[in-house]
Amino acid sequence: SQKIEQNSEALNIQEGKTATLTCNYTNYSPAYLQWYRQDPGRGPVFLLLIRENEKEKRKERLKVTFDTTLKQSLFHITASQPADSATYLCALLNQAGTALIFGKGTTLSVSS
Amino acid sequence: DAGVIQSPRHEVTEMGQEVTLRCKPISGHNSLFWYRQTMMRGLELLIYFNNNVPIDDSGMPEDRFSAKMPNASFSTLKIQPSEPRDSAVYFCASSPREAPDTQYFGPGTRLTVL
Repeated sequence: SQKIEQNSEALNIQEGKTATLTCNYTNYSPAYLQWYRQDPGRGPVFLLLIRENEKEKRKERLKVTFDTTLKQSLFHITASQPADSATYLCALLNQAGTALIFGKGTTLSVSS
Repeated sequence: DAGVIQSPRHEVTEMGQEVTLRCKPISGHNSLFWYRQTMMRGLELLIYFNNNVPIDDSGMPEDRFSAKMPNASFSTLKIQPSEPRDSAVYFCASSPREAPDTQYFGPGTRLTVL
């Protein structure tokens, strides 16, 4: 079955450093991968989508890579700020192309 | 613009009672999704509607769960009878026709079944 793993449940870094979050998947080749941000008590918010033919995508301080050989996506936040503290979820389009499958998320804490 | 609206935001009920969760998608969006989020299992898709028609309900856990979308601006998720293991946060999300890959989530309903 399709499986997604976000390697770390929690990541703690200092303000100004680059945060790198990992998403690994197995057993299929998704057409695209997405990253969402979720704050406590709120719904996930879409951040970025990267397609299987794209190696890298950037948006402001965010950068996402997608390695279909390694079956892995990396999500980077450069010059991190305490306001970046949240849970970050990766999501893949399922093999049927009908729905997203979400990872359990990595909770990032940025301390000043 | 109003985002996805869900009600109630919190629901506490006793085992065996019927629970109805409500969702109003973003105006103009043609796809609607119901998800459940727990610490153990993360965010799981329950059911997906496109143009008010259920397309994929394979995530609905059992017959106690049902969902309807009578029109483009309203959907309900019903649990009858409710059980303690149904306690979770239930999210509704919608996506527009022109960008079907992007989902906009509501604030969620936190359900506690005692």
